[in-house]
Amino acid sequence: AQSVTQLGSHVSVSEGALVLLRCNYSSSVPPYLFWYVQYPNQGLQLLLKYTSAATLVKGINGFEAEFKKSETSFHLTKPSAHMSDAAEYFCAVRGKSGGYQKVTFGIGTKLQVIP
Amino acid sequence: AAGVIQSPRHLIKEKRETATLKCYPIPRHDTVYWYQQGPGQDPQFLISFYEKMQSDKGSIPDRFSAQQFSDYHSELNMSSLELGDSALYFCASSPTGADTEAFFGQGTRLTVV
Repeated sequence: AQSVTQLGSHVSVSEGALVLLRCNYSSSVPPYLFWYVQYPNQGLQLLLKYTSAATLVKGINGFEAEFKKSETSFHLTKPSAHMSDAAEYFCAVRGKSGGYQKVTFGIGTKLQVIP
Repeated sequence: AAGVIQSPRHLIKEKRETATLKCYPIPRHDTVYWYQQGPGQDPQFLISFYEKMQSDKGSIPDRFSAQQFSDYHSELNMSSLELGDSALYFCASSPTGADTEAFFGQGTRLTVV
């Protein structure tokens, strides 16, 4: 069964600083990994996804993530944080469960951006 | 582009009442998922359907049931509501293919009082 672990339920960065949100996965087969963002009282919006085409994936709003098989990681980064980046971020893995596709989420990391 | 539509967006029910949440997936998506997100928690998988058949079951209470209809819309029925059922309920849909993401609706916020 696949799973993801997000390290740090809360992360605070200063505006303009590097954003690094950590995610490690566990999967018995090559995983399909996703990062979603959730703004308050809104649904989940896809930031980016890894589907084995390229290890460095670029997403919306300047975010990117690098798939590292040796570290079983898929950390999310952004060079310079903006106030509008304050939200909750979920790492997710999609894989087969009982023959069907299933998406499993991490616990989420709440990003606070300090002016 | 069409997105996943959930209705209602907000719902207030009393304890022991019944609630029905509806989800209309993106056209030609053959898989529908339901998730429950409690306050400050990550989305918890409840149940999924593939081509109108239940394909997987997660932490869905016995008081809850769901089905997918011939037009592919899905309904989550919740009976004997408890205060702890207050949460944001998301529906998501995806097409066949492991490399495609799930597309989420805006969610239904259920408040049980």
